[in-house]
Amino acid sequence: NAGVTQTPKFQVLKTGQSMTLQCAQDMNHEYMSWYRQDPGMGLRLIHYSVGAGITDQGEVPNGYNVSRSTTEDFPLRLLSAAPSQTSVYFCASSYSTGGVYNEQFFGPGTRLTVL
Amino acid sequence: GENVEQHPSTLSVQEGDSAVIKCTYSDSASNYFPWYKQELGKRPQLIIDIRSNVGEKKDQRIAVTLNKTAKHFSLHITETQPEDSAVYFCAASTYKYIFGTGTRLKVLA
Repeated sequence: NAGVTQTPKFQVLKTGQSMTLQCAQDMNHEYMSWYRQDPGMGLRLIHYSVGAGITDQGEVPNGYNVSRSTTEDFPLRLLSAAPSQTSVYFCASSYSTGGVYNEQFFGPGTRLTVL
Repeated sequence: GENVEQHPSTLSVQEGDSAVIKCTYSDSASNYFPWYKQELGKRPQLIIDIRSNVGEKKDQRIAVTLNKTAKHFSLHITETQPEDSAVYFCAASTYKYIFGTGTRLKVLA
């Protein structure tokens, strides 16, 4: 199993550009999520999904869109990049047991710089 | 909204001493409490977790305690070693995971 994969590993954008961060998992997990990590701020939840076709907002959703058309893929779209979106982005997946979610498995991260 | 507070933000201990990190959560519906370790430039990785129906869990030098009434949980690391140096995150989960802001642990040889 490859686990959770993310592409690209590094990206530099100019203000106003759009792009999609890719995330895929091969563990058949129903739960997937996106976080951004900034110094001193921990991991902040952007969006999450509890299954194909179902997404919801997290703590910091503004400026980001997601969709979940398959169990495996959960792309994150930046519609018009801003310098405030410079961060490290992690995708994660998990599964539930008896209605309780378990450990999240994280991807390797994408380091995004917006100039 | 949901919130998880984590303290301290930095912690330095001598090798062999114990380290304790504390978290408080706001959502009383939270039922799963994981702890992650993140080394520089790497992804977070689970080190221990506890569910809401358990008060304490131990795995070798690492233990977690949960007080649901007070809505707080703690990570205890005994006999610390230099390789324990990292950033540690707590989280509280219902159907979404909310993380604390992290504790940078330094173990001094």
